[in-house]
This record gives sequence, C-alpha cells and structure tokens, in this order.
Amino acid sequence: EPEVTQTPSHQVTQMGQEVILRCVPISNHLYFYWYRQILGQKVEFLVSFYNNEISEKSEIFDDQFSVERPDGSNFTLKIRSTKLEDSAMYFCASSEGSGTAAETQYFGPGTRLLVL
Amino acid sequence: AQSVAQPEDQVNVAEGNPLTVKCTYSVSGNPYLFWYVQYPNRGLQFLLKYITGDNLVKGSYGFEAEFNKSQTSFHLKKPSALVSDSALYFCAVRGWSGGGNKLTFGTGTQLKVEL
Repeated sequence: EPEVTQTPSHQVTQMGQEVILRCVPISNHLYFYWYRQILGQKVEFLVSFYNNEISEKSEIFDDQFSVERPDGSNFTLKIRSTKLEDSAMYFCASSEGSGTAAETQYFGPGTRLLVL
Repeated sequence: AQSVAQPEDQVNVAEGNPLTVKCTYSVSGNPYLFWYVQYPNRGLQFLLKYITGDNLVKGSYGFEAEFNKSQTSFHLKKPSALVSDSALYFCAVRGWSGGGNKLTFGTGTQLKVEL
C-alpha cells in the first residue's frame, strides 16, 4: 500500500539555524500539506500546496517558512531561522487532488524537530 | 471558522466492552468529518470519514462512527474493544463553503483499553 514518507525522523538544530524537512507524498497525489503538533497539543495546519503554489496557509506559516516541490517526488518545508517554539512534530500529508472537500489526507510518520 | 471539540482527554474501557470516543464540531456549510488514530511515535492513520448519506460510517479495524447533524456530533464507536486499540484518537473536520481544504483537528482523546 502506498504511503507518505518523511525524512529525517528526528532533527536537532540550534536556534537560528535553517532546517529543511523532506517528504515524499503518495505518487499520484496532487495536493500536499504540512501540519505540526507541538508536544501535548493538537495537530495544527500549516500550509497546503497544489499545482506548484500555496493554496492556503495558516497564521503560523509566516515568512520564516517556505515550501517547495523541487522535483517530481519530493515536497519540502524549510524553516529559515529556527526558534525554540518551532520544536514540534511536523507531519506531511497528501491527497488525490480531485478537488472535493471529502477526499482523504494521508499522513506521513512525522519529523520530530528539536530546537536548542 | 471551523472547530472540533473532544471533551474527554482520556477514555478507559475494559477489553471486550464497547467504546465511545466523543467529538462535536462547528462548521459553516456541509461538514466533512474524519477520525484518525495515532500510535506512539507514529503518524496519523486514517480510520474513517463521513461525507454524506448514511449517518453510520464503518471504517478500519472494526471502528464505526455516527454522524448526528442536530447534535453536531460524530462519535467514534467500536462494539468490542481490544488492548491493541489503545492509542490517541483525533477527530477532524473540513468545512466546504468554498473555503480551503485544511483539516481542523480536535485536541485528541487517549484511549486506554485494559484487560
């Protein structure tokens, strides 16, 4: 069964450093998403991406964040200058992109980011 | 704005007993409701969803959920709980009044099934 994969599984970085989190969505999916989950809190939407552009973003997704689909398979989230409060589990998700609100988003296993 | 409430932080149930994990929602337009499960150190796994039609939705691993429009609820149920069902369960909603495709999650309910 196809699944979303994410690398690395864990990342430790120093405050102010740039990090890139990588995701490989399910191959025939067209919509891609990033969510995050701060420890002990709920999962929060960051951004959705379709047809090589951001389709929606949350207030959390400020200028420090960017997303990119550098090739036909990868989808990346870059945090330009990490802050302590960026420490969280980051989930990538993908969906078929049929355009219906009912389509299912499939999540990867997450990258746990720790900013020191 | 859309929102989801999961009023119980934890639900404890004995193996073999029925379980219910509660969820209520608020959304403008038609709601699309989802349940996901998260095992320790794992991602979110899709369980089931309500789109339209029958109010009782069946999903993976014997789970089902009942949509109640008048009570704006979408409770997750299973007739007979297993120890292996112990995990964190998230309810999520996606509204469709023309705006966006993000999922809004509840705070999660920890299900603990004991022998």
